[in-house]
Amino acid sequence: EIVMTQSPATLSVSPGERATLSCRASQSVSSNLAWYQQKPGQAPRLLIYGASTRATGIPARFSGSGSGTEFSLTISSLQSEDFAIYYCQQYNKWPPVTFGQGSKVEIK
Amino acid sequence: QVQLVQSGTEVKKPGASVKVSCKASGYTFTGYFLHWVRQAPGQGLEWMGWINPDSGYTDFAERFQGRVTLTRDTSISTVYMEVSRLRSDDTAVYYCARRSSSYWYFDLWGRGTLVTVSS
Repeated sequence: EIVMTQSPATLSVSPGERATLSCRASQSVSSNLAWYQQKPGQAPRLLIYGASTRATGIPARFSGSGSGTEFSLTISSLQSEDFAIYYCQQYNKWPPVTFGQGSKVEIK
Repeated sequence: QVQLVQSGTEVKKPGASVKVSCKASGYTFTGYFLHWVRQAPGQGLEWMGWINPDSGYTDFAERFQGRVTLTRDTSISTVYMEVSRLRSDDTAVYYCARRSSSYWYFDLWGRGTLVTVSS
């Protein structure tokens, strides 16, 4: 099973600032990585797939990069609606698909 | 409207079973695999298994083998997840999620069903 490790666990950011989250895989997952956003009481929402492709309707301030074992999600200018928990998920080797433990972006 | 609509909150006693439904609408039900992911209170996401709504084929994460059953009713575009021999650590929100057309990421999620296991 591929283990996904996210950092930091919590990131405190002011609105308008840039936020960068990291995700590391225990072995190469090529570019088969997705990012999700989850707000309290809601289901996860797909943001990024293929490591860098934005899903339908996702604003351009969200960008993903990386390949192999190191990935990042950047939010270029945080809006109030972006404060949430973000999960990465690998889908290179399955089953099982595996998720990171999540990174919370909170208001500073 | 493309959506997955799940059944409502359940409260069960340890040792019982629970069956959660997930009704698809707005797209071809048999064209996409459906997966189940759960989230314990305050915890992350845990993948459980999947079903091919066309063939009925299922597969599960090892820890859920033998305790989770997935079925489908194509006449009403609905899949069902049944968990047997419930334990307190099965308390979680259970999500159904549609796999994308080509790869194993999830492009559509249900709103989740809270299952509480308590004596």
